[in-house]
Amino acid sequence: NAGVMQNPRHLVRRRGQEARLRCSPMKGHSHVYWYRQLPEEGLKFMVYLQKENIIDESGMPKERFSAEFPKEGPSILRIQQVVRGDSAAYFCASSPSQGFQETQYFGPGTRLLVL
Amino acid sequence: AQRVTQPEKLLSVFKGAPVELKCNYSYSGSPELFWYVQYSRQRLQLLLRHISRESIKGFTADLNKGETSFHLKKPFAQEEDSAMYYCALSGAGGSTLGRLYFGRGTQLTVWP
Repeated sequence: NAGVMQNPRHLVRRRGQEARLRCSPMKGHSHVYWYRQLPEEGLKFMVYLQKENIIDESGMPKERFSAEFPKEGPSILRIQQVVRGDSAAYFCASSPSQGFQETQYFGPGTRLLVL
Repeated sequence: AQRVTQPEKLLSVFKGAPVELKCNYSYSGSPELFWYVQYSRQRLQLLLRHISRESIKGFTADLNKGETSFHLKKPFAQEEDSAMYYCALSGAGGSTLGRLYFGRGTQLTVWP
């Protein structure tokens, strides 16, 4: 099992461009979580998805950010019209089922730099 | 509101010395607490969790509900323990089910 995969590992965008971050969960995992880590801070929850469903997006900024987890393919975190403040590390995690005692397995992260 | 506090950003000890990484939390219900570790150039990985009550790599952590703490301890630190450590909380109820709340992390350095 290759673990949670994220790509790209590094992404550079100019202000106003779009950023697409991909996450492939571990085999057999149908629950995906996205977290953002700003410099010098801990990881902050953004969104929780299951296949074809957004379960909890309360951590997502209201504008420019969206996420999906289609029936086939990876989960996508999309940031439109990026601004410098979007520069951060974005981590994806997956778990086999829902539950507050479930272990989440993390990907290596995507480092987004907005110029 | 749910919150995880790690008061030490940096912690340095010498090899063989005891180490304690502090974690305090606030949560209205009964949370599950985790310690995650990130070694240099590796991904974040689970070190241990409260419910397992096990010792991993010599580390233990006890949940103290009275003090709302979940400090990570090891009696004899090793150089390979040098890493970033994150305390995290997961809540049992309602709309927050599934999400993890993280502290800011403590960078542990173990000197030879």
